[in-house]
Amino acid sequence: DAKTTQPTSMDCAEGRAANLPCNHSTISGNEYVYWYRQIHSQGPQYIIHGLKNNETNEMASLIITEDRKSSTLILPHATLRDTAVYYCIVRVVGTGNQFYFGTGTSLTVIP
Amino acid sequence: GAVVSQHPSRVICKSGTSVKIECRSLDFQATTMFWYRQFPKKSLMLMATSNEGSKATYEQGVEKDKFLINHASLTLSTLTVTSAHPEDSSFYICSARGGGGARTYGYTFGSGTRLTVV
Repeated sequence: DAKTTQPTSMDCAEGRAANLPCNHSTISGNEYVYWYRQIHSQGPQYIIHGLKNNETNEMASLIITEDRKSSTLILPHATLRDTAVYYCIVRVVGTGNQFYFGTGTSLTVIP
Repeated sequence: GAVVSQHPSRVICKSGTSVKIECRSLDFQATTMFWYRQFPKKSLMLMATSNEGSKATYEQGVEKDKFLINHASLTLSTLTVTSAHPEDSSFYICSARGGGGARTYGYTFGSGTRLTVV
């Protein structure tokens, strides 16, 4: 699976949009981009995933560049409960394909 | 949605004893389950992959005789830490592949088990 690079930490003001970048320059054509987050001492929580089109759900939006070498997770109106470590993972969809976690971005939402 | 239940959430055991952690998929059949460990302020490290009815596949550097994995049914996988030592103290998390919809190709994670070996 392709490796990802994320900033170690970010701050965001409560109520503002949080934009979390991820570089995956070695992504291959059949690899999806997944985002998970982990709130302290809990298991990771699925946020969103996509292949090449931008995606939106009730939690977030995922913007993938045209060359697919990077993506941005957008939390439109960050709340204090969004404080967590956010992981960007790229992997091939299919039976038994593991998730390998990188270091992630620690997002702190500030009141 | 898909739910994975992990038990216990916390356990303290004496050095040299064995501890079993359970991972259950509550509303779907999990064809594949994964076990991770996480040290404080570190990322999740994949330990092993288990498929129902077959032997687990361990990641490089993970001792299969120390971390016994059993996936006897489509809804239950267990991780047994044998002859536990203080350095085995960690946060253990399971995940399961399965369920329906777009998240079928994603994974649902349990809430984790905090193991402390004293």
